[in-house]
Amino acid sequence: AQRVTQPEKLLSVFKGAPVELKCNYSYSGSPELFWYVQYSRQRLQLLLRHISRESIKGFTADLNKGETSFHLKKPFAQEEDSAMYYCALSGIGGSRLTFGEGTQLTVNP
Amino acid sequence: GAVVSQHPSRVICKSGTSVKIECRSLDFQATTMFWYRQFPKQSLMLMATSNEGSKATYEQGVEKDKFLINHASLTLSTLTVTSAHPEDSSFYICSASGHLPREQYFGPGTRLTVT
Repeated sequence: AQRVTQPEKLLSVFKGAPVELKCNYSYSGSPELFWYVQYSRQRLQLLLRHISRESIKGFTADLNKGETSFHLKKPFAQEEDSAMYYCALSGIGGSRLTFGEGTQLTVNP
Repeated sequence: GAVVSQHPSRVICKSGTSVKIECRSLDFQATTMFWYRQFPKQSLMLMATSNEGSKATYEQGVEKDKFLINHASLTLSTLTVTSAHPEDSSFYICSASGHLPREQYFGPGTRLTVT
C-alpha cells in the first residue's frame, strides 16, 4: 500500500525565514513524488516533481530514499507563499496519485 | 498550460435527487480522468479513475452505483451522484492527464450541498 504523511497541518513562519514542509512516504517500489500547492480560492496546481530536479518559485525538494522523505524547502519565505501544500506519490509510469493530508503554510509579514 | 473546467461550480439539490457534474479538458485530450472528494480541511480522497471508453475503476469503499462515472470522450467525463443524501455534501474535484507528460491537471472543483 502507498501512503503519504505530512506531519504538520499548520506551519507559520515570518517573511524571509527559511521554511521546510515535511513529507514522508511508504511505497514498495520506486515512487514518483510531487508537491502540489493550492492558493486561496484557486485550484490545485503542480509545484514540482522530484524527477525534474528543478526549483520553482524558490522551492526545492530532494527525494531521500533512505529516509523515505521528500521535504519541501525554501531558504527565504515570502508572504505570497502562504497556501496549502500537498505532497503526493504515484508509482513510476503510473498516474494514480496518493495525497498527504496537507500543510497550511502561513508566512507572516 | 493545460486547462480543466468543471460545471457547475456550485450546486444545491434536495435529498433523493441526482446531480451531474461535468469535467472537461479544454485544450488537450485526456486519456485518463480522476475524481476526488475533499472534506473541509482534509486531503483529497481519490474516488475513481476513468479511461476514455472504458469502465471506471473505483477505490475501495466508493459505491459505484451511487457515484456513476462516464468518460465518453477524450475531453469529457461526468460524475453523477445518484439519490443524493446530506452526507454526500462535499467538494468534488476532477483532474485529467494525457499521454505525455502524465501530469494531472486539476479542475476548480464543484461544491455540492444536499439539503
